[in-house]
Amino acid sequence: QTVVTQEPSFSVSPGGTVTLTCGLSSGSVSTAYYPSWYQQTPGQAPRTLIYSTNTRSSGVPDRFSGSILGNKAALTITGAQADDESDYYCVLYMGSGISLFGGGTKLTVL
Amino acid sequence: EVQLVESGGGLIQSGGSLRLSCGASGFTISNNYMSWVRQAPGKGLEWVSVIYSDSDTHYADSVKGRFTISRDKSKNTVYLQMNSLRAEDTAMYYCARVHRNSDGYTMFAFDIWGQGTMVTVSS
Repeated sequence: QTVVTQEPSFSVSPGGTVTLTCGLSSGSVSTAYYPSWYQQTPGQAPRTLIYSTNTRSSGVPDRFSGSILGNKAALTITGAQADDESDYYCVLYMGSGISLFGGGTKLTVL
Repeated sequence: EVQLVESGGGLIQSGGSLRLSCGASGFTISNNYMSWVRQAPGKGLEWVSVIYSDSDTHYADSVKGRFTISRDKSKNTVYLQMNSLRAEDTAMYYCARVHRNSDGYTMFAFDIWGQGTMVTVSS
């Protein structure tokens, strides 16, 4: 059974840059998986950041960018701010109507 | 305003049934793919189901055969009928719209989210 993998946790200094990744337990992630990224703070619904690999959702600052790095999808946050401290999830479209979430990355800004 | 509002959650005994509703405003659900996503307490997000604009439906293996997604165009509402509920179905259930780009192509990402409705299954 295919699993979407993400780093369980990551930390970044205020003003720093961090890259979170989204991989597959078997195989490589490509644009054909339509990778998307979501930010979620405790008690809140997710917020859409990136869809179709690298397109920012409406209202998302350009500090957030998406890409394919090697065999994974990636979310890069530049100039990290305190309110970027959240859980980040990626989603991959697996085909045949099925989407899979990664386990999420807890980002700490300190 | 484009909005999704879920309802129908609650406390239910194991083996019971519940129907969740997701009312949409500001857009027409039948022109979009609509999904349900859930999140168990303290856990990550899990995709549950999708209904396409042509009424085709798909489910995660964990709910296949027990959950049914449907919609009522006249009410602009999506439903999730949940049968044979188990303790592991305990979660916040979110309704989400699947994004289409300006050319009308589905991007297989979620762009509008509701605030969720909590389902608790007691064993």
